[in-house]
Amino acid sequence: DVKVTQSSRYLVKRTGEKVFLECVQDMDHENMFWYRQDPGLGLRLIYFSYDVKMKEKGDIPEGYSVSREKKERFSLILESASTNQTSMYLCASSPGQGWNQPQHFGDGTRLSIL
Amino acid sequence: AQSVTQLDSHVSVSEGTPVLLRCNYSSSYSPSLFWYVQHPNKGLQLLLKYTSAATLVKGINGFEAEFKKSETSFHLTKPSAHMSDAAEYFCVVSVFEGGSQGNLIFGKGTKLSVKP
Repeated sequence: DVKVTQSSRYLVKRTGEKVFLECVQDMDHENMFWYRQDPGLGLRLIYFSYDVKMKEKGDIPEGYSVSREKKERFSLILESASTNQTSMYLCASSPGQGWNQPQHFGDGTRLSIL
Repeated sequence: AQSVTQLDSHVSVSEGTPVLLRCNYSSSYSPSLFWYVQHPNKGLQLLLKYTSAATLVKGINGFEAEFKKSETSFHLTKPSAHMSDAAEYFCVVSVFEGGSQGNLIFGKGTKLSVKP
């Protein structure tokens, strides 16, 4: 089974802090994704990556950056956290063959910015 | 443009009765469609997927979905609800981005409640 592991289930940070959310997958998937999930808004794509050192902006990249130095690890960075970034963050991965592969999700990180 | 609409934000059923969660899609290409389930404070788990093979797709936990091109629908059903089915369900369409790349478009979700 595919395992996508997010480093923290719950995280509390302060406004202005630099925040790192880590995600690791163990299935040698080429593609990795970061979403945020908010009530009434569903899942929104922040950034994704099709290969090591590659990144693409999703629908809501403002205030975020990402890093993919190794194939199995995809980090989401909040450069200067703000209260409107309080949310559930979900990481996902998928294999690179074909555009219609399902994504496999981690359990999420519930981030609170105070 | 590709899109997906889940017609009900909340569905409530009694244990042992059938479940129907409705989903309509819009796609310029022959779509790939998925249903995911999310239990409270957990990530999304793949229930089933349609990728242009059989139009009736069987998934895990007794769920199935039927792809109807003429109606642009992909409704999720289960003959008999169980208490453990209470969760949020997402209908998802895969979007072709060019080459071998694609992204997913998520519906807003349907919360399923199961009464004893």
